[in-house]
Amino acid sequence: DAGVIQSPRHEVTEMGQEVTLRCKPISGHNSLFWYRQTMMRGLELLIYFNNNVPIDDSGMPEDRFSAKMPNASFSTLKIQPSEPRDSAVYFCASKGAENQPQHFGDGTRLSIL
Amino acid sequence: AQTVTQSQPEMSVQEAETVTLSCTYDTSENNYYLFWYKQPPSRQMILVIRQEAYKQQNATENRFSVNFQKAAKSFSLKISDSQLGDTAMYFCAFMKLGGSNYKLTFGKGTLLTVNP
Repeated sequence: DAGVIQSPRHEVTEMGQEVTLRCKPISGHNSLFWYRQTMMRGLELLIYFNNNVPIDDSGMPEDRFSAKMPNASFSTLKIQPSEPRDSAVYFCASKGAENQPQHFGDGTRLSIL
Repeated sequence: AQTVTQSQPEMSVQEAETVTLSCTYDTSENNYYLFWYKQPPSRQMILVIRQEAYKQQNATENRFSVNFQKAAKSFSLKISDSQLGDTAMYFCAFMKLGGSNYKLTFGKGTLLTVNP
């Protein structure tokens, strides 16, 4: 079975540029999560969707960050404009029924120069 | 709000030996799940084991087992017969059950090194 698919795996760009990270959840999963991982703060939940609807976006750092889930099989996390402090690994995870664990993608390593 | 604490930032163990990683949590909830995730250098987040709070029996998965002490809010991970491939960052995580919010609260992680 295909797991959670994230793209790109690595992204290097200059500050000020728009960055779009993509995620395809596991088919049949109805919850999707975006996390950011840094050495300083560990794993932080940015936002999560249930049935394509954002449920909790309290972790989104500021207005430069936005996330969408237009359908059950696709989500994006956008940063515009990007800043060097946004450099991190961004994970997407999806989850099925209530008692099931989250399954993570391989992450996108983002470097903002 | 829930908090998860992993008090050992780093640990090391010799191959074939047993090691225990500590995790404590704080919650007022009664129904929840606890998880251990492994993150090797490849950076994938891999589920190792999970425990339902309502179950008294400790979960086991091959060489991995937990010691779940609900009253003490403790959830340690024991790795038996350690292998070089067990070298990774290990994260303890909490998930509340019920309602519609299934977010995970993670600890800061423990970096485990298995030495040959």
